[in-house]
Amino acid sequence: DIVMTQTPLSLSVTPGQPASISCKSSQSLLHSDGKTYLYWYLQKPGQSPQLLIYEVSSRFSGVPDRFSGSGSGTDFTLKISRVEAEDVGVYYCMQGIHLWTFGQGTNMEIK
Amino acid sequence: EVQLVQSGAEVKKPGESLKISCKGSGYSFTSYWIGWVRQMPGKGLEWMGIIYPGDSETRYSPSFQGQVTISADKSISTAYLQWSSLKASDTAMYYCARHTRSYGLDVWGQGTTVTVSS
Repeated sequence: DIVMTQTPLSLSVTPGQPASISCKSSQSLLHSDGKTYLYWYLQKPGQSPQLLIYEVSSRFSGVPDRFSGSGSGTDFTLKISRVEAEDVGVYYCMQGIHLWTFGQGTNMEIK
Repeated sequence: EVQLVQSGAEVKKPGESLKISCKGSGYSFTSYWIGWVRQMPGKGLEWMGIIYPGDSETRYSPSFQGQVTISADKSISTAYLQWSSLKASDTAMYYCARHTRSYGLDVWGQGTTVTVSS
């Protein structure tokens, strides 16, 4: 099984400041088709998860451009350029190269 | 509008069977995989397995293989997750989601709470 490890597991951010979450996979997520299947989700309190980023760096429809994804191989990062109050929740990375596996989640709160 | 609507909350006793549902609308149900995700109380997301309603091909996480059964009835655009004998440890929120390789899980249901208690 591919293990996804997120750091930090929690962070507290002042509105308007940047935030960054790391996700490392136990195997490369580069597929033979040339694409890398790494996704980011946000689960706001009391809600179903929602897709933010697919294929490492592509923002899903309606996702604000303050969210960006980067990385390759086994190391990936989600960045929020200027955190807003509505960004509170738990962020998950997920791999899609061998079945699918989520990271443990990163709980982000607003100071 | 693309939607997945899940069945309502369930309260069951250990040993009982259960089948929860996820009905898709607004898209071609037989052309997309449907996945199931578990979230135990206060815990993270766990990918359980997926089904392709077009031909009922299924794939399971090793952690859930043999513990649950995923099925679908394409005639009514509905996917199912079922247990033959529930345990207290099955208490969780269960989400269904539309599944593609490119987008991962792009459309989610509202979740079904399952409580197993004697």
